[in-house]
Amino acid sequence: GDSVTQMEGPVTLSEEAFLTINCTYTATGYPSLFWYVQYPGEGLQLLLKATKADDKGSNKGFEATYRKETTSFHLEKGSVQVSDSAVYFCALTKSGYSTLTFGKGTMLLVSP
Amino acid sequence: NAGVTQTPKFQVLKTGQSMTLQCAQDMNHNSMYWYRQDPGMGLRLIYYSASEGTTDKGEVPNGYNVSRLNKREFSLRLESAAPSQTSVYFCASTGLGTDTQYFGPGTRLTVL
Repeated sequence: GDSVTQMEGPVTLSEEAFLTINCTYTATGYPSLFWYVQYPGEGLQLLLKATKADDKGSNKGFEATYRKETTSFHLEKGSVQVSDSAVYFCALTKSGYSTLTFGKGTMLLVSP
Repeated sequence: NAGVTQTPKFQVLKTGQSMTLQCAQDMNHNSMYWYRQDPGMGLRLIYYSASEGTTDKGEVPNGYNVSRLNKREFSLRLESAAPSQTSVYFCASTGLGTDTQYFGPGTRLTVL
């Protein structure tokens, strides 16, 4: 079946550091890929997405590129802020299906 | 627009008790979902409703029932709660032809 694998956390960074959170997937066909973010005490919200190979999703300074050859969708940000501290989930959905398959989540902690 | 709302926010049950978690969305979305979130497990799909009048099992349906009351509302029922059902429950919805899910704030359930 489909699956998503994320790097385990927590990832601890100082403010203004570069962030990478790795995500790889296993799926048949051509899935859409997502990053969701969960701030403390809240529900998940969409951060960015990409629907086909080589697409780059971006939002709030975060970026991720859909790499079909490596089945990856790594999340990056050039300079993190304390307010970026949250749990980040990589997920996929397949064309014609509405259900999401999530990774286990990666907690990011940013200190001043 | 309130988006996706869930009630209650917190609940403590004793083993064997029953309860219903309520979810409503005001975005005229067709599809609705129930997930549970457990530490180190990410989000796992319990049940979903692709459209009004239909429901389908997800990854972890045992011990739960659902009702799609109308297009706005999708409830999750625990008939006889067990400690293994201690979790945070999220409801989500998505519109026809889109793949972005919108999440509610969650219900934190403890079963003693």
